[in-house]
Amino acid sequence: DTAVSQTPKYLVTQMGNDKSIKCEQNLGHDTMYWYKQDSKKFLKIMFSYNNKELIINETVPNRFSPKSPDKAHLNLHINSLELGDSAVYFCASSQEGTGWETQYFGPGTRLLVL
Amino acid sequence: AQSVTQPDIHITVSEGASLELRCNYSYGATPYLFWYVQSPGQGLQLLLKYFSGDTLVQGIKGFEAEFKRSQSSFNLRKPSVHWSDAAEYFCAVGASTGNQFYFGTGTSLTVIP
Repeated sequence: DTAVSQTPKYLVTQMGNDKSIKCEQNLGHDTMYWYKQDSKKFLKIMFSYNNKELIINETVPNRFSPKSPDKAHLNLHINSLELGDSAVYFCASSQEGTGWETQYFGPGTRLLVL
Repeated sequence: AQSVTQPDIHITVSEGASLELRCNYSYGATPYLFWYVQSPGQGLQLLLKYFSGDTLVQGIKGFEAEFKRSQSSFNLRKPSVHWSDAAEYFCAVGASTGNQFYFGTGTSLTVIP
């Protein structure tokens, strides 16, 4: 069974559209994260949720909105997509989110905005 | 503030040769240190981690890393590289206070026959 899964794996869309990426973890973890990996492979945290509560919200345009319906899911909604949003988005989870725990990553969603 | 530096953007080694990937961190307290590997088109996989205790840490796939507090380093090593080790390697530091995880910019490893 996949520990952290993301859908879709690939997403190609036009500028201005609204899209969502879904993430699910079956590890029973309390904390989930979204990361953005740019074309230079730099990984930057975007959001972190612990038990459905937002605990990290880095400087990210408010076009990006995470939603956690339950602690096993953390979805990422992106409104009015821009060219610069093209990247690979990784979901991750950890047990408590204290910063010293191993994070388990999903396979990534490759977003291309045309 | 925490930060992680991986000085080598790209390294090329011959198969069977030894490997060392460098990682330096900046953190005021005891860091929690990790190495992740990302194979092409894949997500990140944990290789090893250091929290406390023995400063030489063994990981999966024959990797090891050594924590050197005096040098603020956590370099990753492997005595004999295999072609399947070609990937992107990320060093990361976790904060002991608060919920944060910082990644370095990664080192891309190419293995030549």
